[in-house]
Amino acid sequence: NAGVTQTPKFQVLKTGQSMTLQCAQDMNHEYMSWYRQDPGMGLRLIHYSVGAGITDQGEVPNGYNVSRSTTEDFPLRLLSAAPSQTSVYFCASSKAGHWNTEAFFGQGTRLTVV
Amino acid sequence: AQSVTQLDSQVPVFEEAPVELRCNYSSSVSVYLFWYVQYPNQGLQLLLKYLSGSTLVKGINGFEAEFNKSQTSFHLRKPSVHISDTAEYFCAVTVIQGAQKLVFGQGTRLTINP
Repeated sequence: NAGVTQTPKFQVLKTGQSMTLQCAQDMNHEYMSWYRQDPGMGLRLIHYSVGAGITDQGEVPNGYNVSRSTTEDFPLRLLSAAPSQTSVYFCASSKAGHWNTEAFFGQGTRLTVV
Repeated sequence: AQSVTQLDSQVPVFEEAPVELRCNYSSSVSVYLFWYVQYPNQGLQLLLKYLSGSTLVKGINGFEAEFNKSQTSFHLRKPSVHISDTAEYFCAVTVIQGAQKLVFGQGTRLTINP
């Protein structure tokens, strides 16, 4: 099993550019989420989804959009990149409705906005 | 809302010494508790979790954690660390109701010196 796959691994953007971070999982997990990791702040939830067609905001959603058209994919869109969005982004998946279940993480995307 | 505080941002220890990484949480409802580990340039993986029952839980790589409800703590311990334990460790909680969200602490960077 590939688990959770994120692409790209590294990206440099100019301020104002847009891009999509890709996330795919092959474990048939209903629940998927996006986090950003910043030094000294741990991981903060951006958006999450409990199934195809259902998304909701997390702790820091501003500047990001998501959609969930399939169970497998959960892309994160930056509409107009800002230097404050320089971070490492992680996608995670787990079984929905199982609050005690393990979350599986991708390898991360390191994004720099200049 | 729930929150997690990891009391040490960095912990340096010598190889074969014991280590304790401290975690306190705050929540008005019951929670599940987790420790995740992030090795350099990798995603997070589950180390151990507390759901119910015995307050001492054992995880992978010789780590264990003790749940203390009265002190709302979930400290991680290992009696003898190895160079390969160098990583960042994250404590996380999820509430046992409502939206299925993992809330992370700020992380503790464990550095093992030879």
